[in-house]
Amino acid sequence: EVLMTQSPGTLSVSPGETVTLSCRASQSVGRDLAWYQQKVGQAPRLLIYDTYTRATDIPPRFSATGSGSEFTLTISSLQSEDLAVYYCQQYNNWPPVTFGGGTRVEIK
Amino acid sequence: EVQLVESGGGLVKPGGSLRLSCAASGFTFDTYSINWVRQAPGKGLEWVSSISSSGTYIFYADSVKGRFTVTRDNAKNSLYLQMHSLRAEDTAVYYCVRENQWLVAFDSWGQGTLVTVSS
Repeated sequence: EVLMTQSPGTLSVSPGETVTLSCRASQSVGRDLAWYQQKVGQAPRLLIYDTYTRATDIPPRFSATGSGSEFTLTISSLQSEDLAVYYCQQYNNWPPVTFGGGTRVEIK
Repeated sequence: EVQLVESGGGLVKPGGSLRLSCAASGFTFDTYSINWVRQAPGKGLEWVSSISSSGTYIFYADSVKGRFTVTRDNAKNSLYLQMHSLRAEDTAVYYCVRENQWLVAFDSWGQGTLVTVSS
C-alpha cells in the first residue's frame, strides 16, 4: 500500500497570499496524483488530476506540480472561499487507492 | 448535471447490517466505474470499494473485505453497498463517487450518508 503524507497539517494565511501544500508518497506514483478540496460540511471536490491538470471549472489560481514521490499544490492570491481541507490521492498502485491525511487551510 | 444521491445510512448496533444505495443521474451510468469512499467524523478520506462499469471488476479495502459487498444495477442507474458485521470503526459518512473514465480520480461525489455503529 502506498502511504501518502501531507504537510503541514494546518496553514494559516491571509487573503491574497500564496500558499504551497506538500504531498509525499512512500514510493513513486509517477504522475498519477490528484488533489481534492473539501469545505466544511461538503463533499470533496476534484481540483487536479494527473499531477497538474485542473479539473472542470477550477480557477487558474490553483496549480500543481511534481512527479515520482514529491508533489505540491499552490494556491495563488488566496481567497476566503479557499478555506478548506486539501487532500492528495494516488492512483498509480491500487487497490487500494490511498489519500493523504489532509492539510487544513485557515484564513488569518 | 451529474448527480449521485446516497441513502440508507443510520444507526446500527455492532455486528449489525445495513445496505446503502446510490442513485445516479445526469450521465451514462453503465460506462463509469463507481467507488465508495468513507470519512469518519473529523477524519480524512478512506477508499472502501470500487466496481467497474459492467460489474466485472470489484475491489475492496482490506478493512472491509469479507464484510462489505458492492453491487450495481445498470438498468436502474443504481449502486449498492451491503455491509455486514459492522464495527464501531465503520462509523463514517459514506460517499458514492464516480471515477474518471480514463484514470482513477474521482470527479463527482454524492453528498454522503452517515452510518453510525453504536450500541
